[in-house]
Amino acid sequence: QVQLVESGGGVVQPGRSLRLSCAASGFTFNAYGMHWVRQAPGKGLEWVAVIWFDGSDKYYVDSVKGRFTISRDNSKKTLYLQMNSLRVEDTAVYYCARESLKGAKDFDYWGRGALVTVSS
Amino acid sequence: EIVLTQSPGTLSLSPGERATLSCRASQNIDSDYLNWYQQKPGQAPRLLIYGASSRATGIPDRFSGSGSGTDFTLTISRLEPEDFAVYYCQQYDDSLTWTFGQGTKVEIK
Repeated sequence: QVQLVESGGGVVQPGRSLRLSCAASGFTFNAYGMHWVRQAPGKGLEWVAVIWFDGSDKYYVDSVKGRFTISRDNSKKTLYLQMNSLRVEDTAVYYCARESLKGAKDFDYWGRGALVTVSS
Repeated sequence: EIVLTQSPGTLSLSPGERATLSCRASQNIDSDYLNWYQQKPGQAPRLLIYGASSRATGIPDRFSGSGSGTDFTLTISRLEPEDFAVYYCQQYDDSLTWTFGQGTKVEIK
């Protein structure tokens, strides 16, 4: 069965860095685009970043451009999110999500999320 | 930037009633790229509807989606106790960005 398991969350001071990982299993990882989606406490969902199946292209929401970097290691079936210059407003649960192959640009599987708290 | 506005913010209904949730886009969007999710407290979102009207795998047929252009609807024909949750619409556009609506909470009346 498809599984996505995030790790690396925690409490970090403003301006510091953190790297999230998402370990994938149960599907052909290198065939799928992968995303990070976040949810601030008590708020809605916000798409953060996407990486193409082969890592050839990456796109970001404006609020994280220049600070966050999405990457993947297909040999390890792992997705990453390097978060630098963290701000209080980056506090959220970060989900990794698989983009389906149906062509609808939808997210058909999600991890359980990793909580990132940015606080002094 | 395309903005998705969901209404109402909260829908108070009883089990067995019909729920109609709206998602309005700030400009025309491709219905192939309009999707709906359900999220329960403490859980990740779950895909319900993709391409505006196709049910995802394992989704009961009481859930249906419709719409085109700027106006889209998620309908739950008869609410079951497990359907009380928050629902989000999501779209993709040619600027290579994905956006979500702010969500509609369906609560027990």
